[in-house]
Amino acid sequence: EPEVTQTPSHQVTQMGQEVILRCVPISNHLYFYWYRQILGQKVEFLVSFYNNEISEKSEIFDDQFSVERPDGSNFTLKIRSTKLEDSAMYFCASRASGSLTGYTFGSGTRLTVV
Amino acid sequence: DQQVKQNSPSLSVQEGRISILNCDYTNSMFDYFLWYKKYPAEGPTFLISISSIKDKNEDGRFTVFLNKSAKHLSLHIVPSQPGDSAVYFCAASADSGTYKYIFGTGTRLKVLA
Repeated sequence: EPEVTQTPSHQVTQMGQEVILRCVPISNHLYFYWYRQILGQKVEFLVSFYNNEISEKSEIFDDQFSVERPDGSNFTLKIRSTKLEDSAMYFCASRASGSLTGYTFGSGTRLTVV
Repeated sequence: DQQVKQNSPSLSVQEGRISILNCDYTNSMFDYFLWYKKYPAEGPTFLISISSIKDKNEDGRFTVFLNKSAKHLSLHIVPSQPGDSAVYFCAASADSGTYKYIFGTGTRLKVLA
């Protein structure tokens, strides 16, 4: 079964540092997403990406965040200057065009900002 | 603004019995609803979905019911098994073209052997 792969599984970073979370979506999928889940809270939408550009972003996704698809396989989320409140599980997801089965999520990257 | 609400943070059910997980939403523009299951240290896994043109969708032991007038959906698991123990998230989408999902806060289901 095809998978969405996320690396690293756990990232610890100092406040103010830049982090890049990496994702390899399923190869024939066209829509890519980042969500996050702060411990004990709901899964929150951050951004959607299609055709090499952001198609929608939430109010959480401010100027500190950016996404990129640097090549044909990777999809990255960069946080420029991390804050303590950025500590969360970050999930990448992808879906095929017209999919009625929702997204396929990766297993997440736990980001801890200290 | 919590557009999708799961008011029961946890639920315990005896093995073999029915589990009923509930979800309420406020946005009448939502037209597609999904249930995801999540185990610890894993990403959410798609379980079952329903379009707003239907009121019921069934897949094996899992059935989702949609009551549009009440803005309520529920997931029934019959019979419940210990392996069903997980956190269940309800999610909803309006046809924005991006298929952004709004998730509820989740219900932790524990199926007791």
